[in-house]
Amino acid sequence: DQQVKQNSPSLSVQEGRISILNCDYTNSMFDYFLWYKKYPAEGPTFLISISSIKDKNEDGRFTVFLNKSAKHLSLHIVPSQPGDSAVYFCAAEGTGGTSYGKLTFGQGTILTVHP
Amino acid sequence: KAGVTQTPRYLIKTRGQQVTLSCSPISGHRSVSWYQQTPGQGLQFLFEYFSETQRNKGNFPGRFSGRQFSNSRSEMNVSTLELGDSALYLCASSRQGAVGTEAFFGQGTRLTVV
Repeated sequence: DQQVKQNSPSLSVQEGRISILNCDYTNSMFDYFLWYKKYPAEGPTFLISISSIKDKNEDGRFTVFLNKSAKHLSLHIVPSQPGDSAVYFCAAEGTGGTSYGKLTFGQGTILTVHP
Repeated sequence: KAGVTQTPRYLIKTRGQQVTLSCSPISGHRSVSWYQQTPGQGLQFLFEYFSETQRNKGNFPGRFSGRQFSNSRSEMNVSTLELGDSALYLCASSRQGAVGTEAFFGQGTRLTVV
């Protein structure tokens, strides 16, 4: 039962263009959403997050949009740079005691930005 | 400010053996979580510790255990290793482990069971 899904295993984008990474979730108890970036042989690096009470959060080149009714979120990277090439994970946190320290991750999307 | 430190970075063990992995969280962080990453299952939550107490546990067999010390450092142990335990084990720390607090990950320990 995969509660967080990233349906696109990979995405290829030209440098300078927009990258849009998508994520869907099924558990309506999820209250907080995060995006992480991961290079091979390294741990995930936190990028940006959003609370369920918001529909948009922006940090520099990164913007996360949340559509709670559709249980969908997306990460926009503008403009994309070759250094952004990595695996991007969407993660979700629920409410209540059973959620302490627990992130539920999607399967990841490999982003490749071509010069 | 030092990040999350995991030791060792790489480990090769034989099936049936046991292994202990270590994690030192960011200074001031009291919550430590452990995750297993495999190509087939992705990143899966193992357990979380806060102030030396396990507050949350994922769906893993009892062969997987952990503990946290008074200085917030944490160890996880896997007994009777199986080939399927080969994975990247990641530790993450956060201030409180509550919803809405960002978790910071270490570089992981790559365990290979042969």
